[in-house]
Amino acid sequence: SQKIEQNSEALNIQEGKTATLTCNYTNYSPAYLQWYRQDPGRGPVFLLLIRENEKEKRKERLKVTFDTTLKQSLFHITASQPADSATYLCARPGGYNKLIFGAGTRLAVHP
Amino acid sequence: EPEVTQTPSHQVTQMGQEVILRCVPISNHLYFYWYRQILGQKVEFLVSFYNNEISEKSEIFDDQFSVERPDGSNFTLKIRSTKLEDSAMYFCASSLGLAGGPLETQYFGPGTRLLVL
Repeated sequence: SQKIEQNSEALNIQEGKTATLTCNYTNYSPAYLQWYRQDPGRGPVFLLLIRENEKEKRKERLKVTFDTTLKQSLFHITASQPADSATYLCARPGGYNKLIFGAGTRLAVHP
Repeated sequence: EPEVTQTPSHQVTQMGQEVILRCVPISNHLYFYWYRQILGQKVEFLVSFYNNEISEKSEIFDDQFSVERPDGSNFTLKIRSTKLEDSAMYFCASSLGLAGGPLETQYFGPGTRLLVL
């Protein structure tokens, strides 16, 4: 079955450093992967989408990579700030009508 | 910027009661979804809806659940007879296109926290 695996342990980093979060998937490569941010008690907020044929995508301080050989996507936040503290979710399409989410990785950026 | 809205933000109900969760998707979107997230667990798909009918549903979405688009703007999730295990955050989402297609990004609402006692 199609699964998304994210490191469930929280990631603690110092302000100003680069945070790197990992998303691994099983089975065939999806057409794309999406990254969302979720704050406690709130809905997921879309951040970035990267397609299978794109190696890398950037948006401001965010960068996402897609490695079909490793079956992995990496999500980077450069020059991290305490306001970046949240849970980051990776998702893949599960067929044509739904997203399959990972459990998310909680990021804590300390001043 | 357009956004998905949901009401109520919180709902407390007694086991066995019916609840209706309401959503207003982004106005030009064509595909609508409900997901739920039990506390501390993953966001999981319940149902997708297009052209006034269900296009896919998960095994969670049994006969106790139903969805409806009663007018041009609202999208509702009804749970007929709530159980304790229905307690969760329920998220509505909408997209321009299908998950497997080119307009696939799903935008989520803030959620309704449902507590069944």
